[in-house]
Amino acid sequence: AQTVTQSQPEMSVQEAETVTLSCTYDTSENNYYLFWYKQPPSRQMILVIRQEAYKQQNATENRFSVNFQKAAKSFSLKISDSQLGDTAMYFCAFNSGYALNFGKGTSLLVTP
Amino acid sequence: ETGVTQTPRHLVMGMTNKKSLKCEQHLGHNAMYWYKQSAKKPLELMFVYNFKEQTENNSVPSRFSPECPNSSHLFLHLHTLQPEDSALYLCASSQGFGQGDSPLHFGNGTRLTVT
Repeated sequence: AQTVTQSQPEMSVQEAETVTLSCTYDTSENNYYLFWYKQPPSRQMILVIRQEAYKQQNATENRFSVNFQKAAKSFSLKISDSQLGDTAMYFCAFNSGYALNFGKGTSLLVTP
Repeated sequence: ETGVTQTPRHLVMGMTNKKSLKCEQHLGHNAMYWYKQSAKKPLELMFVYNFKEQTENNSVPSRFSPECPNSSHLFLHLHTLQPEDSALYLCASSQGFGQGDSPLHFGNGTRLTVT
């Protein structure tokens, strides 16, 4: 079975600071994709960033970047210069050629 | 207009009612999904349709009945639900199914409360 674990149910960060959300996964596959989704109070899940397992270079999207450690099966999300609009649930997800498997999520609160 | 539209946004129904959730995608995608989101639990995949054909039913109780008349529309028919079925039901679509580089696009969900 493929599982995704997010060990931080809740986190908070001050505006303009940097925060890192953790994610680990378990798989025997060698080729797969990893994603971070954001779910604001509007409830719509929005893709933040994705990483292909065969690429060693960490993905970056503006203020969002990942630290992908394939051997450790770790995929953390770093948010730089946090903004109030970053307040949301963040879900880590895994896909090895089937439907996405999600973690339980981390609730991030950005405070002024 | 969002790429994936779900209606209704909220639904309250009794255990003996019959209702349907609707999802429509305007992205030209070929795969559509129903997910169930309950508090403090990972999203649970319920059904997958690829080119209108159901490819997955994740041991979902028969009181949930999906329908996919075409690649753009997906329904979830509900009958004789239980209180534990109360949750947020999310619809999603993707360009292809089983392709890890094809991200999902989600709707805003239907918040279902079973009384």
